[in-house]
Amino acid sequence: DVKVTQSSRYLVKRTGEKVFLECVQDMDHENMFWYRQDPGLGLRLIYFSYDVKMKEKGDIPEGYSVSREKKERFSLILESASTNQTSMYLCASRTRALGYQYFGPGTRLTVT
Amino acid sequence: ILNVEQSPQSLHVQEGDSTNFTCSFPSSNFYALHWYRWETAKSPEALFVMTLNGDEKKKGRISATLNTKEGYSYLYIKGSQPEDSATYLCASYNTDKLIFGTGTRLQVFP
Repeated sequence: DVKVTQSSRYLVKRTGEKVFLECVQDMDHENMFWYRQDPGLGLRLIYFSYDVKMKEKGDIPEGYSVSREKKERFSLILESASTNQTSMYLCASRTRALGYQYFGPGTRLTVT
Repeated sequence: ILNVEQSPQSLHVQEGDSTNFTCSFPSSNFYALHWYRWETAKSPEALFVMTLNGDEKKKGRISATLNTKEGYSYLYIKGSQPEDSATYLCASYNTDKLIFGTGTRLQVFP
């Protein structure tokens, strides 16, 4: 059974803190993605990675960075958290171009 | 960025009713359309991937159609059940990235 896990379901951080969101998939997928979801907006792509050590900016990369040191793990980093980064963050992976994306359960981050 | 739009934004139906909602997307440079179901406190789950004009897909009581020439897809649920309550997302590929609509939130009342 396909599985994408995220390190936390809920997280509360203070403005200015460095925040790490971890995502792990057990399907040997090459492609991995980070999205955020806000009320009234669709899932928006922050960063994605085609393979280990590769990263590409999505539509809203400002204020974020990523790390992909191992194939199964894709980390999203908020260098200095701000209140406008309060959101639901979803990680996904896929096996091939244009294929299904498999999502993690999401991390609801609150920055105070 | 291409726009993917879904309507209605939300829908309340009685158990047993059939319902449908719409996803519209730019028809130029179409690659594929995805439908996902996202239940509260769970991960979004893939329902269908559709690529060909005229495609029809079915999974139990849920089915979907695709018109790539005019840029729309319909999702149908026959005989809605309370467990169908979820947000239904559609997404269209722009080159290699999925662009998501804002979703249709369906609530089915017993």
